[in-house]
Amino acid sequence: ILNVEQSPQSLHVQEGDSTNFTCSFPSSNFYALHWYRWETAKSPEALFVMTLNGDEKKKGRISATLNTKEGYSYLYIKGSQPEDSATYLCAPRHTDKLIFGTGTRLQVFP
Amino acid sequence: NAGVTQTPKFQVLKTGQSMTLQCAQDMNHEYMSWYRQDPGMGLRLIHYSVGAGITDQGEVPNGYNVSRSTTEDFPLRLLSAAPSQTSVYFCASSYGTENSPLHFGNGTRLTVT
Repeated sequence: ILNVEQSPQSLHVQEGDSTNFTCSFPSSNFYALHWYRWETAKSPEALFVMTLNGDEKKKGRISATLNTKEGYSYLYIKGSQPEDSATYLCAPRHTDKLIFGTGTRLQVFP
Repeated sequence: NAGVTQTPKFQVLKTGQSMTLQCAQDMNHEYMSWYRQDPGMGLRLIHYSVGAGITDQGEVPNGYNVSRSTTEDFPLRLLSAAPSQTSVYFCASSYGTENSPLHFGNGTRLTVT
């Protein structure tokens, strides 16, 4: 069973603050790293899929980086807004299995 | 555009009963998977399939069976429900290539009493 760790478990920030989360995973047999956003009472939605070491992805105020050699990825949110409040999940793909971390729960207060 | 459709949305079972959770997708996705969500444990992979006729076990397969007779459908069977199987179940699918994201269904909330 793969050990996927996300930190912190939860985060409370003020509107306008920038924040970042970490995802750590085994680097062996690595295929890709997925980030998902999961709002309460909804289903997870894909943010990014990264496959190459050094890969960087950006969507609006959210960006992510990937280090496959050391087995970690960072997700950054610039200028957090209340609508960014959600749980952010990472999932490395090893062979055909996507194994999820337990997520970072972000709450952004106005 | 239906995407990934799960039925039922809610289900209550008694211990020992059997049932099938249905999952269908209309995106011609080769890869389909089942996850369960429990408080504090995130999403755990139960079973997955890389194409019709092919299935494999995930992290927590015990107590569950799957089959993949068509590309569109991937049902999850509970042969003898146990209270430990009380959970929210999500079906997800993708094209299966390395950079393909998962598309999730809306979930099935199952309670076993």
